[in-house]
Amino acid sequence: QVTLRESGPALVKPTQTLTLTCTFSGFSLSTSAMCVSWIRQPPGRALEWLARIDWDDDKFYNTSLKTRLSISKDISKNQVVLTMTNMDPVDTATYYCARSIYYYGSGRYTNYFDYWGQGTLVTVSS
Amino acid sequence: SSELTQSLSVSVALGQTARITCGGNNIGSKNVHWYQQKTGQAPVLVIYRDSNRPSGIPERFSGSNSGNTATLTISRAQAGDEADYYCQVWDSRTVVFGGGTKVTVL
Repeated sequence: QVTLRESGPALVKPTQTLTLTCTFSGFSLSTSAMCVSWIRQPPGRALEWLARIDWDDDKFYNTSLKTRLSISKDISKNQVVLTMTNMDPVDTATYYCARSIYYYGSGRYTNYFDYWGQGTLVTVSS
Repeated sequence: SSELTQSLSVSVALGQTARITCGGNNIGSKNVHWYQQKTGQAPVLVIYRDSNRPSGIPERFSGSNSGNTATLTISRAQAGDEADYYCQVWDSRTVVFGGGTKVTVL
């Protein structure tokens, strides 16, 4: 049974750095093809993908936010950590972590999210 | 990377068929995935790789993808299908989500 759970501060001040932890079970990020991403959703708005880390430690970032993001993993703890610097009120959102699997077939590579955490609301305010 | 365009809202009568579209340049050359998100809940995968249903997703949900449009079809719509629906692709080393479509069952 795969589960993911996000944890971190509910409130951060502008200009501060946000650190979120995704703790998961039911799979290992050392297993080939396993990946974990962070996705956020401002209140009343659409999903926005932030970053992904793979079993082989490859990392991918949202182009628009790349300079502010860093993703890492701790295999022994089954955790993935996201840091986002220079937080602003527009970063107020529910932050989700989700598992995906590297898939290559019919000449195409893809990645989709089969398990999600419940999300954690982060508010940026002074 | 891709931009994915979805209608803001779709209304469907109870028991009828709803079609939710996701437009993108040559999206038919990519794998499209669909998520259902009910109010206050995390998204749930309902279709992956264009037309595949995960275990536990009713057969009423189906998908297709060709040319510049991918479509999620909900047959025999039920009240419990009311939700926001998002399409998603992987393109140029990034994940792209559509803007979401709110489905209302009348």
